[in-house]
Amino acid sequence: SQTIHQWPATLVQPVGSPLSLECTVEGTSNPNLYWYRQAAGRGLQLLFYSVGIGQISSEVPQNLSASRPQDRQFILSSKKLLLSDSGFYLCACDRDAQLRETQYFGPGTRLLVL
Amino acid sequence: AQSVAQPEDQVNVAEGNPLTVKCTYSVSGNPYLFWYVQYPNRGLQFLLKYITGDNLVKGSYGFEAEFNKSQTSFHLKKPSALVSDSALYFCAVRDARYSTLTFGKGTMLLVSP
Repeated sequence: SQTIHQWPATLVQPVGSPLSLECTVEGTSNPNLYWYRQAAGRGLQLLFYSVGIGQISSEVPQNLSASRPQDRQFILSSKKLLLSDSGFYLCACDRDAQLRETQYFGPGTRLLVL
Repeated sequence: AQSVAQPEDQVNVAEGNPLTVKCTYSVSGNPYLFWYVQYPNRGLQFLLKYITGDNLVKGSYGFEAEFNKSQTSFHLKKPSALVSDSALYFCAVRDARYSTLTFGKGTMLLVSP
């Protein structure tokens, strides 16, 4: 079964600074990869998903971008953080082209922008 | 479009009593339905899913869910709650037209000793 790693676990950044969050997956190949944000109000917001290397779909236009430089690596970035970027960021994966497959989540990164 | 509703922000139950966390959905085709649990500052953990077949699905930690097509519901249940079941629970749906999951807003379950 797959294992999802997220780094770092916690991050405190000043407004206007850049951001790079990393997600790596073990135990599967050709996964679909997802970035979600969970604000303090608890709901999950899908930010980006990727079905393959270099293929990124954006669900919500905002201050963030995503990249997939390798099959099992997914990176969330920002050039200049906003206060509103604070939240809990979750990476998830499921197997390629199988809609009935379960989506599994990483442990998350807590981001606080001050 | 697909959507999920979890009508209760919070459910309170005493330990040892049965619990139900409600979920209703809306999809165009046949639904794939999922339940997840989230403990504080942790990622979501998969509990169970309905794809096809038996309407009663059994999952992890003694949880089960019943798929009801006529009522478009997929309620999560457990016969006897534990204090350790206290957590945030998410229902999610996907149908054949969409490659992404749609999540409900979550229901906080609080089990008192």
